[in-house]
Amino acid sequence: GAVVSQHPSWVICKSGTSVKIECRSLDFQATTMFWYRQFPKQSLMLMATSNEGSKATYEQGVEKDKFLINHASLTLSTLTVTSAHPEDSSFYICSARDGQGASYEQYFGPGTRLTVT
Amino acid sequence: AQKVTQAQTEISVVEKEDVTLDCVYETRDTTYYLFWYKQPPSGELVFLIRRNSFDEQNEISGRYSWNFQKSTSSFNFTITASQVVDSAVYFCALSEAHKGTYKYIFGTGTRLKVLA
Repeated sequence: GAVVSQHPSWVICKSGTSVKIECRSLDFQATTMFWYRQFPKQSLMLMATSNEGSKATYEQGVEKDKFLINHASLTLSTLTVTSAHPEDSSFYICSARDGQGASYEQYFGPGTRLTVT
Repeated sequence: AQKVTQAQTEISVVEKEDVTLDCVYETRDTTYYLFWYKQPPSGELVFLIRRNSFDEQNEISGRYSWNFQKSTSSFNFTITASQVVDSAVYFCALSEAHKGTYKYIFGTGTRLKVLA
């Protein structure tokens, strides 16, 4: 149980275009989803926390107008990188928290590797 | 402030050696969870263990063992008889119910290289 999927697993886009990444909880309802980015040889950096049906909470330094997050249902959150630039190239990982009870654990998706040319 | 420190950036061992990865954490909460994850070159995080703040029992799972000591705020991970397939980056993480967000605080990771 507790499987999280991400799509696509990798994407290449041209500078100036937008790209959308989907994160789905497959066998549980995720009241909270998290988006991370990870640069090579670095740790995961939390970008934002999203709760179903409400606006995402962004971490300090993360541009909310550039990284649009939508958590429209209990099983789906999307991250849209708008007007992508080469410096946005990174590994993006989502995670989901089971809404049942006070669960401290997050379940991670396999990640999406974004390359902006 | 909440913090997770993995002081070892990179460790190299020869196959069959034992290796211990250190993790030290800081928190003001009395209820929290600690985790270890493995990240192989593919990038997907692999869950290894979860431990809550009220359970200080050490755990062993095959070649893996964990030592949780609240007195020193440490949650160390030992691999016995290491194998080449253990080569990966290992992350320690702390989860608190901070204002109900249950955010993770990750350490910077330890890159383990097991040489044949």
